[in-house]
Amino acid sequence: GQQVMQIPQYQHVQEGEDFTTYCNSSTTLSNIQWYKQRPGGHPVFLIQLVKSGEVKKQKRLTFQFGEAKKNSSLHITATQTTDVGTYFCAGSAGNQFYFGTGTSLTVIP
Amino acid sequence: EAQVTQNPRYLITVTGKKLTVTCSQNMNHEYMSWYRQDPGLGLRQIYYSMNVEVTDKGDVPEGYKVSRKEKRNFPLILESPSPNQTSLYFCASSLRGLANSNEQFFGPGTRLTVL
Repeated sequence: GQQVMQIPQYQHVQEGEDFTTYCNSSTTLSNIQWYKQRPGGHPVFLIQLVKSGEVKKQKRLTFQFGEAKKNSSLHITATQTTDVGTYFCAGSAGNQFYFGTGTSLTVIP
Repeated sequence: EAQVTQNPRYLITVTGKKLTVTCSQNMNHEYMSWYRQDPGLGLRQIYYSMNVEVTDKGDVPEGYKVSRKEKRNFPLILESPSPNQTSLYFCASSLRGLANSNEQFFGPGTRLTVL
């Protein structure tokens, strides 16, 4: 069945360092969304990518959707302590959502 | 305030005792969904609903039931809970079905423990 893998599972960075999480699907996706979940909280929508090769930026965050629409990445430049949390990608195929396993980011001040 | 609410937030129960987790949204969203979150597995979709009276199985539907009699409500029913259903459950809604894919708004979560 459909699988969305995400790496790394955990990442510890020093404040100010960059961070990247990668998402890979076993099949082609219609689109991909990214969510952030703070410790003890619920997932919160960050962005959606639809087109092949699409790149979107939100301040220090850069999101990319692969040419084959099977992979995606989230890059954070110069991390801050407010970036702490777990980042999930979520791909849609048909009417279902397939979430990645998440990357838990710890930022050391 | 636009929101998705879930009740209860925490529940400890015993094997075999039927329970219902309620979910309600006030945004007139068509699409609603239930997920369970387990360590190392991310969020897995249990059931989803494209609109009233339209429900479909997600990735892990076994042991769960849902209904969508009204647009705003999407309860999750565990007829005979088992310990492997101990998990954190999230309800979510979005404006339209995923072909038009809109962001999903998540409820605060329900932490269920089945003894």
